[in-house]
Parts: sequence; C-alpha cells; structure tokens
Amino acid sequence: EPEVTQTPSHQVTQMGQEVILRCVPISNHLYFYWYRQILGQKVEFLVSFYNNEISEKSEIFDDQFSVERPDGSNFTLKIRSTKLEDSAMYFCASSGVTDLDNEKLFFGSGTQLSVL
Amino acid sequence: KQEVTQIPAALSVPEGENLVLNCSFTDSAIYNLQWFRQDPGKGLTSLLLIQSSQREQTSGRLNASLDKSSGRSTLYIAASQPGDSATYLCAPCSNFGNEKLTFGTGTRLTIIP
Repeated sequence: EPEVTQTPSHQVTQMGQEVILRCVPISNHLYFYWYRQILGQKVEFLVSFYNNEISEKSEIFDDQFSVERPDGSNFTLKIRSTKLEDSAMYFCASSGVTDLDNEKLFFGSGTQLSVL
Repeated sequence: KQEVTQIPAALSVPEGENLVLNCSFTDSAIYNLQWFRQDPGKGLTSLLLIQSSQREQTSGRLNASLDKSSGRSTLYIAASQPGDSATYLCAPCSNFGNEKLTFGTGTRLTIIP
C-alpha cells in the first residue's frame, strides 16, 4: 500500500539553526500538507500546498517557515531559525487524486523535532 | 474559529464491548469530517471520512455518524479488540480540498483483554 514517508524520524538542533524536514508524499496525490503536534496538545494545521503554491496557511506558519516541492517527489518544510517552542512532532500528509477530490488524508509517521 | 471537543478524554472497556466516542464542533459549515487513529509515537491513520451530505459511513466494525446541523459526530466501535487501543481523533474540514482540518484533543481508548 502506498504511504507517505518522512525523514528523519528524529531531529535535534540548536536554537537559531535552520532545519529542513523532508517528506515523500504518495506519488499520484495533488494536495500536500504539514501539521504539527506539540507534546500533549492537539494536532495543528500549518500549511497546505497545491499546484506548486501555498493554498492555505495558519497563523503559526510565519516568515520563519517555508515549504517547497523541489522535484516531482519531495515536499519539504524549512524552519529558518528554530526557537524552543518549535519543538514538536511534524507530520506531512497528502491527499487527492483529482482536482475535485475531497478524500482521506494520508499521514506520514512524523519527524520529532527537538530544539535545544 | 472552529473548536472541536471530544468526550470522553479517556475510556477503558473490556474486550468485546461495543462503544461510542463523541465529537462536537462549533462551526457546522464543514465539507467533511474524518476520524483518525493515532498510536503512540506514530502518525495518524484515517479511519472514516464522512462527506457533509452524508449521515453515516461504515468500515468493518467501525461506524461514524454525522449530524452537521447540531455539530456532532460519533464513532461506534463494535466488538472491541485489544488492537483497537489507541487515541481516536475527530477532524472536521472547513475547506474544499481537505485543507485545514481542525483536530480535537482525542479520546484515548484502552481495551482490556
């Protein structure tokens, strides 16, 4: 069964450093997302990406964050200068095989980011 | 702003029992609602998706209902098994294209063998 893969599974970084979280969505999907979950809290929407551009973003997704689909398979989340409060599990997700779809989201197993 | 509440926060039941998990949301203008399962340290697995025009959806021992006008959804699990132990999350979607799901805090379910 096709799945969303995320690397690395764990990332430790120093405050102020840049990190790039990587995701390979399901190959024929059209919509891509990043969500995050701070320990003990709800899963929160960060950003959605469709047709090579951001289609929606939350208040969390400020200028420190960016997303990119550098080729036909990868989808990345970059945090330019990490803060302690960026520590969380970051989930990538994908969905939709047609423009009119409103389908289940498929999530990766997450990258646990720890900012020291 | 959509707010999602799930009750109870935790539930323990003996194996074999049927159970109901509840979800309520404040903004009834939704396109669909999904129920997810989250295992400790793992990602989320979509269990069921109900379109806003539907009232229920079934998959195996799982049945989800949706009452959009009252802002409620329930997940019914029949003949529970220890492998059903996980956190169950409800997530209504307010945008076309599955953008911006709003998640509840979940119900942590433990099935006692």
